[in-house]
Formats: sequence, structure tokens, C-alpha cells
Amino acid sequence: EVQLVQSGGGLIQPGGSLRLTCAVSGFPVSSNYMTWVRQAPGKGLEWVSMIYSGGSTHYADSVKGRFTISRDNSKNTLYLQMNSLRSEDTAVYYCATFRLIVAFDKWGQGTLVTVSS
Amino acid sequence: DIVMTQSPDSLAVSLGETATINCKSSESVFFSSNNKSYLAWYQQKAGQPPKLLFYLASTRESGVPDRFSGSGSGTDFTLTISRLQAEDVAVYYCQQYYLTPQTFGQGTKVEI
Repeated sequence: EVQLVQSGGGLIQPGGSLRLTCAVSGFPVSSNYMTWVRQAPGKGLEWVSMIYSGGSTHYADSVKGRFTISRDNSKNTLYLQMNSLRSEDTAVYYCATFRLIVAFDKWGQGTLVTVSS
Repeated sequence: DIVMTQSPDSLAVSLGETATINCKSSESVFFSSNNKSYLAWYQQKAGQPPKLLFYLASTRESGVPDRFSGSGSGTDFTLTISRLQAEDVAVYYCQQYYLTPQTFGQGTKVEI
């Protein structure tokens, strides 16, 4: 059974850093495209970042240069390193699998990141 | 970026009736090589992650009741919920995954 279990959210001051973790079971994280999506309180879904199976990465303009997506194949885990955090980064962050035909078919439970002083 | 626009923003439907949600993309998400539109629909209930309902515009994900149907091609798409049940109360999102960034519509809230 495919499972994505997230951890790492919390309260952080503006300008601070946080790393989100998405532990994957049921398939090798290296063989899939993996993505991060966020949802600000009371708002819609916003795509944040993606890592392809080959290792190339893509970012939304709103986080480019501040966030870094990566994976550890030995731990079968996906990460999102978030630096220079701003209040507008406050959101629930979801990891998800992306399959080229099936779209975002498996999702983590979400983790809340609150950027506030 | 491709802009996805849903209508309406919200709708109230009586139990057993039909809900219709429209989604329009600012450019075509149709891939001529396989004659498929790269459009997905998601359901998000309060406090839960999104759940995939349809991909390729009209292919129902496993386990999704056949009361739900997806249609459309190119730039115009529709999600239809027939015989609405209380458990269908949620926000529904369309998403294009033809190009990166894979953009979402703003969501449509369905209430009873």
C-alpha cells in the first residue's frame, strides 16, 4: 500500500528556515515524480515544487531561490527545505506523487507551517 | 502559466439532485499525440488532503462512485455529480497537468 507520511511543520519567525519531510512507502521515491502543494488558510491549492525521477527540479516563482526540493533514495523520503520564510508562506503543505497520465494521485496528510513573529 | 477558472465559486444543491461544475483553461491542455486532455478533478473535504476523482478529463479514479462524471476537451471541462449525497459536501478543484506549473482552479464549494 502506498503511503506518504509528512512531518516537520510548525511555527517559525519570518526569515527563518524549516525542512518538511515526506516519508514514502509502497514504491521507490526515486522512480516517481514527486511534488509539493500548499494551501493557505481558507484558500485554494497552489503548486510549489516538483522533482522528476531523473532528479531535475522545478519551482513556483513565489518560492524560487528560497525553497529546495530533494529526496534521499536510501531513506525513501522527500524533503522541502524552506529558507527566508515570509508570512505569505503560511499554509498547509502537502506532498504528493505525480504520474504523467494520472496527475497527483497519492497525497500526504499535510503539515501546517505558520510564519509569524 | 495556464490559468484555470472554475464556475461557480459555490453552489447549493438539494439531496438527490445534480451539481454541475465548470472549468475553463486559458489555453488548450489537449495533447494531440494521444488525443487526451490533461485535466484532473479533485475533491477536498474539510480537514483532509485532496482526493483525485478524475484524470485525463473523464477517466474515473478507482473507487470513485459512478455518480461522478467528468467531461470536456481542449479548454472546457465539466464535473457532474448526480444524485447528490451528504457525503459529497466538499470543495472541488480542477487542475491542468499538461504544462509545468500544474495549475489549479480556485475551487468550487458544494453544499446541501
